[in-house]
Amino acid sequence: IAGITQAPTSQILAAGRRMTLRCTQDMRHNAMYWYRQDLGLGLRLIHYSNTAGTTGKGEVPDGYSVSRANTDDFPLTLASAVPSQTSVYFCASSADSSSYNEQFFGPGTRLTVL
Amino acid sequence: AQSVTQLDSQVPVFEEAPVELRCNYSSSVSVYLFWYVQYPNQGLQLLLKYLSGSTLVKGINGFEAEFNKSQTSFHLRKPSVHISDTAEYFCAVSARMDSSYKLIFGSGTRLLVRP
Repeated sequence: IAGITQAPTSQILAAGRRMTLRCTQDMRHNAMYWYRQDLGLGLRLIHYSNTAGTTGKGEVPDGYSVSRANTDDFPLTLASAVPSQTSVYFCASSADSSSYNEQFFGPGTRLTVL
Repeated sequence: AQSVTQLDSQVPVFEEAPVELRCNYSSSVSVYLFWYVQYPNQGLQLLLKYLSGSTLVKGINGFEAEFNKSQTSFHLRKPSVHISDTAEYFCAVSARMDSSYKLIFGSGTRLLVRP
């Protein structure tokens, strides 16, 4: 069982370009999340999805969009990348969006926007 | 709004010494608390969680944490650390957002174990 996979592992991107970070889970979890990790700030929630077909905004959603067409996939798109979006991006999932459920994390995507 | 504070950005310690990583939270309602560990170049994995019941929670790799409601703390401890415990540790609280719950993370504490 792979758990959560993310692609690409790392990417260098020119400012203004469009980029989609991929996330796939094989645990049949209902809830999925995208975080960005920046030094000294911990992890901040970008967008989430409580179940297939629904999405919601987290703490820092500006400049990002997501879709949840099915249970397994939760891509994150940067429509026009800016240098402040340089970060490490983590996808996570949990059985559902209850208060007590553990979240499982992917290995991350390191994105550099020049 | 709920929040998590990890006051120590880095904690250096010698191998086989005890360690405590501090976490304080703010919440006006019942809380569920988590500690995650992130090894270099990896994602986060759960160390332990407090949902209810005993205030002393035991996790993986010999770690434990104590929930203290009066001090709004959830400090992580290990009596004897190993080199392999070198990692970043995140405390998190489950917070209600819209109609569901999300994790609010602290800024992290880097544990550096020296031989």
